Amino acid sequence: NAGVTQTPKFQVLKTGQSMTLQCAQDMNHEYMSWYRQDPGMGLRLIHYSVGAGITDQGEVPNGYNVSRSTTEDFPLRLLSAAPSQTSVYFCASSYGLAVSYNEQFFGPGTRLTVL
Amino acid sequence: AQKITQTQPGMFVQEKEAVTLDCTYDTSDQSYGLFWYKQPSSGEMIFLIYQGSYDEQNATEGRYSLNFQKARKSANLVISASQLGDSAMYFCAMREGAANFGNEKLTFGTGTRLTIIP
Repeated sequence: NAGVTQTPKFQVLKTGQSMTLQCAQDMNHEYMSWYRQDPGMGLRLIHYSVGAGITDQGEVPNGYNVSRSTTEDFPLRLLSAAPSQTSVYFCASSYGLAVSYNEQFFGPGTRLTVL
Repeated sequence: AQKITQTQPGMFVQEKEAVTLDCTYDTSDQSYGLFWYKQPSSGEMIFLIYQGSYDEQNATEGRYSLNFQKARKSANLVISASQLGDSAMYFCAMREGAANFGNEKLTFGTGTRLTIIP
């Protein structure tokens, strides 16, 4: 299993550009999430999904869109990039209702710089 | 109010010594879970240990143990016999609500940077 994969690993955007961060998992996990990590602030939840077709907002959703058309994929779209979105983005997945205890499996992260 | 508080921004510990990383949490849920993750300089998030709110025993995983004091709302990570490879950022995180509702929403603390001195 590849686990949770993210592409690209690095990206530089100009203010106002749009782009999609890709996330895929091959563990048949129901739940997937996007976090951003900024210096001194830990990880903060952007959006999450509890299954295909179901998404919801986390703590810092503004400026981001998500969709979940398949169990495997959970792309994060930046609609109009701003310098405040410069961050490291992590995708994570975990088992759903059928499993009681579980951890979140994290992807390797995408380092995004917005100029 | 912060849901997860890690009060030690940085710690320096001599190799082979034990180290305790502090974590306090705030929740009104009766059912919740507490996690510790390690983030080395390479950037990936590595799961270390988990403690459920109803678990009667403190969780242990090899050299890692979680000192869970429910009444004080603390979940400190203890690393025994520290090694140079333990140098990393360590994050405490919490899932509110029962485990069977999934772990898609974790709240993280700001982390502690641990440096092991040879």
